[in-house]
Amino acid sequence: DAKTTQPNSMESNEEEPVHLPCNHSTISGTDYIHWYRQLPSQGPEYVIHGLTSNVNNRMASLAIAEDRKSSTLILHRATLRDAAVYYCILNDKAAGNKLTFGGGTRVLVKP
Amino acid sequence: KAGVTQTPRYLIKTRGQQVTLSCSPISGHRSVSWYQQTPGQGLQFLFEYFSETQRNKGNFPGRFSGRQFSNSRSEMNVSTLELGDSALYLCASSSKTSGGEETQYFGPGTRLLVL
Repeated sequence: DAKTTQPNSMESNEEEPVHLPCNHSTISGTDYIHWYRQLPSQGPEYVIHGLTSNVNNRMASLAIAEDRKSSTLILHRATLRDAAVYYCILNDKAAGNKLTFGGGTRVLVKP
Repeated sequence: KAGVTQTPRYLIKTRGQQVTLSCSPISGHRSVSWYQQTPGQGLQFLFEYFSETQRNKGNFPGRFSGRQFSNSRSEMNVSTLELGDSALYLCASSSKTSGGEETQYFGPGTRLLVL
């Protein structure tokens, strides 16, 4: 499975943007880039995913580098409810529904 | 639509016992995956079932097994429990068999404590 590298933790102030980087230098052409987050005492929840183009949804934006070796999850205005561990995952269609989680980035949002 | 439900939410067992955990996927979802989460190893994939067949398997010993019923509900069983099996067991459902673009929806998990 292709691996991802994320910082262990990041801090942000409430209502400020948060940029979460993810390196995936061994990504293959069929790997989708997924982001999930896990709030305290909950199961992971889907945030966003993309293949080559930048993506936006109501939760976040995903910026994918042109060579696809890195990506950035952008939370436009962090709230206290965004405090969670964010996981960047490469999901290969051939691997089926098998997500390989790394350590993730723990996001702390300060009021 | 109701989300993924898991029962029980909490469980205490002793070493050597066996345990069965249950997962009900989102209505219409036919793929169910199981994950183990521990502080030391993080989130690790156990196995995936689709249409009552195991399609993917992670690197866990044979003490960990699962099955899926015709209504897509799934159970996982751990036999001869060890202290290291203490973990949060998460179930996730998906509407498709293939990965890639498909997203998974996770349940709240079953927290198992082995004494």
